[in-house]
Amino acid sequence: DTGVSQDPRHKITKRGQNVTFRCDPISEHNRLYWYRQTLGQGPEFLTYFQNEAQLEKSRLLSDRFSAERPKGSFSTLEIQRTEQGDSAMYLCASSPKGRGRNTEAFFGQGTRLTVV
Amino acid sequence: AQKVTQAQTEISVVEKEDVTLDCVYETRDTTYYLFWYKQPPSGELVFLIRRNSFDEQNEISGRYSWNFQKSTSSFNFTITASQVVDSAVYFCALSEAPSSNTGKLIFGQGTTLQVKP
Repeated sequence: DTGVSQDPRHKITKRGQNVTFRCDPISEHNRLYWYRQTLGQGPEFLTYFQNEAQLEKSRLLSDRFSAERPKGSFSTLEIQRTEQGDSAMYLCASSPKGRGRNTEAFFGQGTRLTVV
Repeated sequence: AQKVTQAQTEISVVEKEDVTLDCVYETRDTTYYLFWYKQPPSGELVFLIRRNSFDEQNEISGRYSWNFQKSTSSFNFTITASQVVDSAVYFCALSEAPSSNTGKLIFGQGTTLQVKP
């Protein structure tokens, strides 16, 4: 399977616990994005990597959130001290850098987080 | 600021009917990209089309067609002869100008399409 892979698909956690999600982008895609989608809403941008460099973070990304892409391949998104408001679908996407042009992003199936 | 508005929250049609999903966008950029994605119940966003701001030609792909009108800042999506498998949430999205070089997407709220047999 050469698509974007996310793990786990579902996560239920108690408020206050830490959680970590993983995203494996399409190989050779040097751009990687994290989005958050709450029920009935469109995805909202969280952060963006080009290779291993985190180049942009949304104001939505509070200091409880941290993302890494250590070798420019897979990425992790960690949420510390989870709150009920963190319950959402977390989507990862990747795209190739197309010579200054934006190319379409390919999305994974997401990780659905429920904080109880 | 950039914004995408999909005013139709839910649409229900009977199979074989044509249906148009509306998308209106706001941006100060002169160069930008517009997208449509489909999100079936499985959750994965499936890319349908990308349009750059310099290309106002309408596009047809099978039963799908897109009408881009810069004058009204709209990028509408029509499904002809709808099928039950078209049932999904459809998102319109806007991407920043290439010069900003991030490629992040700004999504509308989505339109849920239900096609009944």
